[in-house]
Amino acid sequence: DQQVKQNSPSLSVQEGRISILNCDYTNSMFDYFLWYKKYPAEGPTFLISISSIKDKNEDGRFTVFLNKSAKHLSLHIVPSQPGDSAVYFCAASEFGNTNAGKSTFGDGTTLTVKP
Amino acid sequence: NAGVTQTPKFQVLKTGQSMTLQCAQDMNHNSMYWYRQDPGMGLRLIYYSASEGTTDKGEVPNGYNVSRLNKREFSLRLESAAPSQTSVYFCASRPGQGGYTFGSGTRLTVV
Repeated sequence: DQQVKQNSPSLSVQEGRISILNCDYTNSMFDYFLWYKKYPAEGPTFLISISSIKDKNEDGRFTVFLNKSAKHLSLHIVPSQPGDSAVYFCAASEFGNTNAGKSTFGDGTTLTVKP
Repeated sequence: NAGVTQTPKFQVLKTGQSMTLQCAQDMNHNSMYWYRQDPGMGLRLIYYSASEGTTDKGEVPNGYNVSRLNKREFSLRLESAAPSQTSVYFCASRPGQGGYTFGSGTRLTVV
């Protein structure tokens, strides 16, 4: 059973508009959530994270929202730029025990920002 | 540049051959990880090492072994390669609670 799900394989938005990427999780023990960005033929790059004790974290154009009761998080990119076109992975970690912060990843959402 | 270095970048193996994927980080991170990514899928954890001298199985460990040689290096070994192990392999490290730093990946094809 997949513990982290990104139900939208792809998303297309116009440059300058908002991009909203969604992620759902099932394991209530997850206490730290992250977003990564991946370009073709490169390794993923860490983008932004949020602890389960918060509901929002902002870094420049990127904001992550966490709704613990719904087990849902989202990444907002405002304004979207063509260089944001990439695959975005949602990940969840369990730091509360001895799992060494290993992360479980979703399958990714391919974002295309059109000029 | 500081980061995670993986070698080789590409490899083609015949079924039954063995090989070791090398990974080194120069950021003094305690935790290191090996993931694989298959087409259209997310990253799945093969093995991880919370600290020097310790290793643990992840989600898909069968057919693999690892060695945490020292704090910097974490290698992944395929003893008898199978076509099902055709994938892109990523090594990563982490400084406690924070995001992973990934290497650029090894593209492995087993024929």
